[in-house]
Amino acid sequence: SQWGEENLQALSIQEGEDVTMNCSYKTYTTVVQWYRQKSGKGPAQLILIRSNEREKRSGRLRATLDTSSQSSSLSITGTLATDTAVYFCATDDNAGAKLTFGGGTRLTVRP
Amino acid sequence: GGIITQTPKFLIGQEGQKLTLKCQQNFNHDTMYWYRQDSGKGLRLIYYSITENDLQKGDLSEGYDASREKKSSFSLTVTSAQKNEMAVFLCASTHQDTQYFGPGTRLLVL
Repeated sequence: SQWGEENLQALSIQEGEDVTMNCSYKTYTTVVQWYRQKSGKGPAQLILIRSNEREKRSGRLRATLDTSSQSSSLSITGTLATDTAVYFCATDDNAGAKLTFGGGTRLTVRP
Repeated sequence: GGIITQTPKFLIGQEGQKLTLKCQQNFNHDTMYWYRQDSGKGLRLIYYSITENDLQKGDLSEGYDASREKKSSFSLTVTSAQKNEMAVFLCASTHQDTQYFGPGTRLLVL
């Protein structure tokens, strides 16, 4: 799992494989967002899942949310080398003004 | 679409120096943010601003000042650069729960 000041986790897989990244958060949130950060760039939002949703899909991406265990996952099916990036989850502060980002997972997809 | 511009891209400073980083957005978003990202770590919130002239401290505000002179711009000042400090500073603005990030300013203190 990933959070805040923790170090990045690292995953290395072969192109075409599926991958799941997990995130555990510490306080109540109304949304969980997943962001992707490619080398030298700022993060970009991939998917947003609200507390009343259990699953959200977008293309090859699937996010799940379990509010009882305060955890979320992001799955990528049929990975491509271009999926190589750092993936972060983020939660809001209930008031919605700011996000708290997890420590991140560095995913390397080997061609 | 809009864009967030951060200047400079790279900043090399001396220990004890005051350093200013600038951020501009043309989304017309109300809320803007400054984050610090250390190598191999996540993002930590330094300051955010809900509107022009508003400033809110994040978890990492000590050692920094911020200024929201107008809606489109948000500046961050490192009040006294620490020797060997190395980090990326990311600016973002938000609309409907989504944060849009700039490319970052890379800081190195000698």
